Amino acid sequence: SAVISQKPSRDICQRGTSLTIQCQVDSQVTMMFWYRQQPGQSLTLIATANQGSEATYESGFVIDKFPISRPNLTFSTLTVSNMSPEDSSIYLCSVHVDPNTEAFFGQGTRLTVV
Amino acid sequence: GENVEQHPSTLSVQEGDSAVIKCTYSDSASNYFPWYKQELGKRPQLIIDIRSNVGEKKDQRIAVTLNKTAKHFSLHITETQPEDSAVYFCAARDLSGGYNKLIFGAGTRLAVHP
Repeated sequence: SAVISQKPSRDICQRGTSLTIQCQVDSQVTMMFWYRQQPGQSLTLIATANQGSEATYESGFVIDKFPISRPNLTFSTLTVSNMSPEDSSIYLCSVHVDPNTEAFFGQGTRLTVV
Repeated sequence: GENVEQHPSTLSVQEGDSAVIKCTYSDSASNYFPWYKQELGKRPQLIIDIRSNVGEKKDQRIAVTLNKTAKHFSLHITETQPEDSAVYFCAARDLSGGYNKLIFGAGTRLAVHP
């Protein structure tokens, strides 16, 4: 299993500013995944963060808007840049210890942009 | 890449009845299919999963069936209880690109009425 600490748990931000979300895992994992969950919606994958290389972004998401760092095998950050109200959402990080077993999720960051 | 469709979007049952949620996937190479339960304001939690070498798996009141030929899998909850009320997400493991990422269905909001 894996225990994930994600922070902040929530924040209210002004439009045009940036917020960095941190994700700390209690064990070393090869890949970390960042998801967005808009109100009442499903989980949409933003990007996959692999230690030692640039993150791989899904269609519709770009590095300039969502820069990701992965400095080691237990930590990653996601930055939401130049925020607008449309970025208001829950952001979750996720890992799987073994690729063929369950994915574990952080508690999420509830972001409100005003 | 993988695409997952989930039905129904909402489901209302009486306590004690059964609930069935269905998902289809597009990539025949996918080999891992988890189901997550998300209660309001909480992170998704795995409730059951199935791998492509198995047709059915059961855990107490919860069961999952997989039809690889038809590329669909279903969640069955028997003897539903009010605490089963939540949003349920199916997912499929997308193996493309070597990242083993999870692609989620749109979710089903289950309401169990006493």
